[in-house]
Amino acid sequence: GENVEQHPSTLSVQEGDSAVIKCTYSDSASNYFPWYKQELGKRPQLIIDIRSNVGEKKDQRIAVTLNKTAKHFSLHITETQPEDSAVYFCAASKGSSNTGKLIFGQGTTLQVKP
Amino acid sequence: DTEVTQTPKHLVMGMTNKKSLKCEQHMGHRAMYWYKQKAKKPPELMFVYSYEKLSINESVPSRFSPECPNSSLLNLHLHALQPEDSALYLCASSQEGSGRAYNEQFFGPGTRLTVL
Repeated sequence: GENVEQHPSTLSVQEGDSAVIKCTYSDSASNYFPWYKQELGKRPQLIIDIRSNVGEKKDQRIAVTLNKTAKHFSLHITETQPEDSAVYFCAASKGSSNTGKLIFGQGTTLQVKP
Repeated sequence: DTEVTQTPKHLVMGMTNKKSLKCEQHMGHRAMYWYKQKAKKPPELMFVYSYEKLSINESVPSRFSPECPNSSLLNLHLHALQPEDSALYLCASSQEGSGRAYNEQFFGPGTRLTVL
């Protein structure tokens, strides 16, 4: 079935360093790849997304890259800050005409040390 | 209004109780979702409503009963739950339309449910 694998499960970096989280998806028909950030006790919040017709997208300190051939996509956070500490989930979807079923990765707990 | 709201924030119930969770959005979204989330795990899809019709039921036990009274409201009725059903229940919504590329899901703050 559809599957998204996410690595690493935990990541600890020093403030100011970069952080990279990687995901691999199994369904080649997937065409939408969002990233969610979830702080402790809060809702998942969409931080960036990418569609399959684009290879890279950037928004200030965060960027996402997509390699359709390898079925990989990655989240890059530069100049990390303590407030970036959270659980990050990647997801993949086929964006069908009737539902938006997201297949989530297992999550990465990012800790940014001051 | 660009938010999904959920009530109550917290709910404690016994295994014989009947309770309901409520979700509301006024963004004109026509797809609404219920998810269950355990600590440090990803959200797990339970139900999807598209244009107020149930389009996906992820083999959820019948003790969970969803309802979509109108395009802005989504309820989850709970009856005879088990302690293992304790979790954060998240509602989400997204735009919908035939032929339209998939759009992002906006999550509500969730209801923290404890079953004693």
